[in-house]
Amino acid sequence: ETGVTQTPRHLVMGMTNKKSLKCEQHLGHNAMYWYKQSAKKPLELMFVYNFKEQTENNSVPSRFSPECPNSSHLFLHLHTLQPEDSALYLCASSQDRSRGGIEEQYFGPGTRLTVT
Amino acid sequence: KNQVEQSPQSLIILEGKNCTLQCNYTVSPFSNLRWYKQDTGRGPVSLTIMTFSENTKSNGRYTATLDADTKQSSLHITASQLSDSASYICVVSANQAGTALIFGKGTTLSVSS
Repeated sequence: ETGVTQTPRHLVMGMTNKKSLKCEQHLGHNAMYWYKQSAKKPLELMFVYNFKEQTENNSVPSRFSPECPNSSHLFLHLHTLQPEDSALYLCASSQDRSRGGIEEQYFGPGTRLTVT
Repeated sequence: KNQVEQSPQSLIILEGKNCTLQCNYTVSPFSNLRWYKQDTGRGPVSLTIMTFSENTKSNGRYTATLDADTKQSSLHITASQLSDSASYICVVSANQAGTALIFGKGTTLSVSS
């Protein structure tokens, strides 16, 4: 339960605001992920970091800007969002994507974002 | 197109009853299939991961099956409890590292007393 933490848990922001979501993992993992979960839709992978390097960006709009200062922390900076960006943003971590083998991902509780 | 379809979309059962959730996929190539449980307001938690060669895997009262030939999986819940009320998500990975995870929309299970 406390392996991956996310703050804040809830966020309401206007379209002109700038805010940041924070994720921290206490599992000693080296890979971290951002996902978006909208109502009635499957989880969408947004960004992947492995050993602090971004390895995937799934065509995410530039109004979402990730930052990974070290293997334990991941941020998602938000700027001029749209109402359709309202969703649950989930962070996850896994051991190491480069070692081979099945990577189990551990999810945080998410940040419920509402854009007004 | 890689897709994961789950059925039913939602399900209501009485406490103590069994139920089975279905997952059909068209993902290729196939590496592994995962079932996650997501409680309301929480992140998904892994229940099982199965590779091509595994056709059944249990985790307590949860038993997952996989038929890689027909590209179908099921999650059977035995003697349901109120705490089983959650969304159950089927995820298919095209490789071991999970760089190509295809998520289903999930089945929402409600267990009532």
